[in-house]
Formats: sequence, C-alpha cells, structure tokens
Amino acid sequence: EVQLVQSGAEVKKPGESLKISCQASGYRFTSYWIGWVRQMPGKGLEWMGVMYPGDLDTRYSPSFEGQVTISVDESITTAYLQWNGLKASDTAMYYCARTSGTILEDAFYIWGQGTMVTVSS
Amino acid sequence: DIVMTQSPDSLAVSLGERATINCRSSQSVLYSANTKNYLAWYQQKPGQPPKLLIYWASARQSGVPDRFSGGGSGTDFTLTISSLQAEDVAVYYCQQYYYFPFTFGPGTRVDLK
Repeated sequence: EVQLVQSGAEVKKPGESLKISCQASGYRFTSYWIGWVRQMPGKGLEWMGVMYPGDLDTRYSPSFEGQVTISVDESITTAYLQWNGLKASDTAMYYCARTSGTILEDAFYIWGQGTMVTVSS
Repeated sequence: DIVMTQSPDSLAVSLGERATINCRSSQSVLYSANTKNYLAWYQQKPGQPPKLLIYWASARQSGVPDRFSGGGSGTDFTLTISSLQAEDVAVYYCQQYYYFPFTFGPGTRVDLK
C-alpha cells in the first residue's frame, strides 16, 4: 500500500528551527515528485514546493522560496520540510503529497495525514 | 501567479440532489499539444487531508464514486456531484498544475440542506 506518514504535531517559539518529516512507503521513492502544501487555520490550500528524489531537482513557489527548505533522505525514503527562524505566521497544518510519476506538471495523488505546526511565544 | 476562482463560496443541497461547483483560471490551462487540461479537483473533509477526485479536468481517480464528474476546458471548469450523499459534505478545491507555481482555488463548502 502506498503511504505517506508524517511526523507529529510541533509547538515552537518564534525564531526556533524545525524540521518535519514525511516517510514514504509502498513505492519506488526516487521515481515520484514529492511536495508540501500549507493550510493555515481555517484557510485554503497553498502549494509550497516539490522535490524529485531521483535527481534532487527542487522547485519552490516564489511565496515560499527562501522561507523553507525541502530535502529528502533516500536511504530512509523520507522527505523533509525545514525552517530556520519560525514566525507566528508559520502556524499551519502542513501536508506532504506525491504526484503520479516523473512529470512535474501533475496533481497530488497521495497525501500524508498532515503535521500541525504551532508557533507561539 | 495564475489565479483560481471558485463559485459559489458555499452551497447547501438536499440528499440526492445535484451539486455543481465552478472553477475559473485566470489563464487557459489547456495544452494544445496533448489536448489536456491541467486541472484537478480535491475533496477535503473536516480533520482530514485533501483527497484527489478528478485529474486532467475530467478523469476520475480510482475508487472515486461515479456520481462525481468533472468537465470544462480552457479557463472554465465544473465539478458535479450528481446525487449528493451525506458523506459528500466537504470543502472542494480546484487546482491548476500547468503554470508554476501550481495554485489552488479558495474552496467551495458543500453542506446538506
């Protein structure tokens, strides 16, 4: 069964660093784009960026470029989303999601369960 | 960025009745070389992640009931639920994946009347 399992909820203070994870299973990790979507409380979905683990090609939405870092560890089939210097406005649910294959221009077919990040002093 | 708009913001439909959601993109998402519309629909129930319903504007994802259908081309698209069931209460989002960054619509909430 294809699955994306995300790490648990986090509570952080402004300025702190954070790395959340998304462990993939049930498919060849290097053959599908994997990305991240933000959902602020009570709001809609925002496409943040994607990475192709096969060659580490990474694309960010301009809205998130420089604000977060997407990475993967192929050896443990896990994708990461990282912040250096959290802000209160980073408080949101973050979903990882996977495309259907090697093409960048694609919908997200498989989703993780979400990781809630709360940033508060 | 491509702006996706949806209408209505919300709608209430009786059990067994039809629900229609509209989605418009600020530029055409039809690629003439392959005649595909780069448009997807997702369903999000409270407390759950989004679920892909429709891709390429009209292709139903495996396991999605056939009461869900997608249509349209270019800049104007629709998601139709032919006979609303209680389990269809959710927020529905369209997304274009033609122009980078790939953008979502603001969502349409569907409730029971």
